[in-house]
Amino acid sequence: GENVEQHPSTLSVQEGDSAVIKCTYSDSASNYFPWYKQELGKGPQLIIDIRSNVGEKKDQRIAVTLNKTAKHFSLHITETQPEDSAVYFCAASMTGTASKLTFGTGTRLQVTL
Amino acid sequence: NAGVTQTPKFRILKIGQSMTLQCAQDMNHNYMYWYRQDPGMGLKLIYYSVGAGITDKGEVPNGYNVSRSTTEDFPLRLELAAPSQTSVYFCASRAGTSGGNEQFFGPGTRLTVL
Repeated sequence: GENVEQHPSTLSVQEGDSAVIKCTYSDSASNYFPWYKQELGKGPQLIIDIRSNVGEKKDQRIAVTLNKTAKHFSLHITETQPEDSAVYFCAASMTGTASKLTFGTGTRLQVTL
Repeated sequence: NAGVTQTPKFRILKIGQSMTLQCAQDMNHNYMYWYRQDPGMGLKLIYYSVGAGITDKGEVPNGYNVSRSTTEDFPLRLELAAPSQTSVYFCASRAGTSGGNEQFFGPGTRLTVL
């Protein structure tokens, strides 16, 4: 089955700096890669996703890049703000089926003032 | 829309007890999922359903059962609770292949088995 590895497990940045979180996946059939943000005591919430036919996607301060050949994808957050502090999860799945997500182990991002 | 709701928020069980975690969604989604989240780990899929009357096992189904008699509800049953089932449980739903891939998560149920 699919295996998703995520690094780093914790990341501390100063407000205004950029943050990058990286994930690798094992199953070349995976074609959908979402990123979820989980705030304390809440369920994960989708912040951005990318399909395998696209190399990069951007939404304001958040961007995701995908390298299908190397089987890795990354989340980039620019101009970080204190409200970006949370746990971020990457995931991978194959669309067209039940789209069962395989999650990475999460990155705790802390944005300091 | 309330989205995905889960009850209870917290529960403490004794070893060997049983309970049902409730999950409901009001978005008319076809797909529903149950995950567990252990400390420092990602979410692991327990069971999922592609529509009323259809369920299937995920990655970690042992010790759990599900049913899906309606589109809205997807309860998770724990029989003979064990300490290894101490976790936070999340239910999620998704519209379907034509409705997008986003899974919407509930707020979670924190379960402790002592």
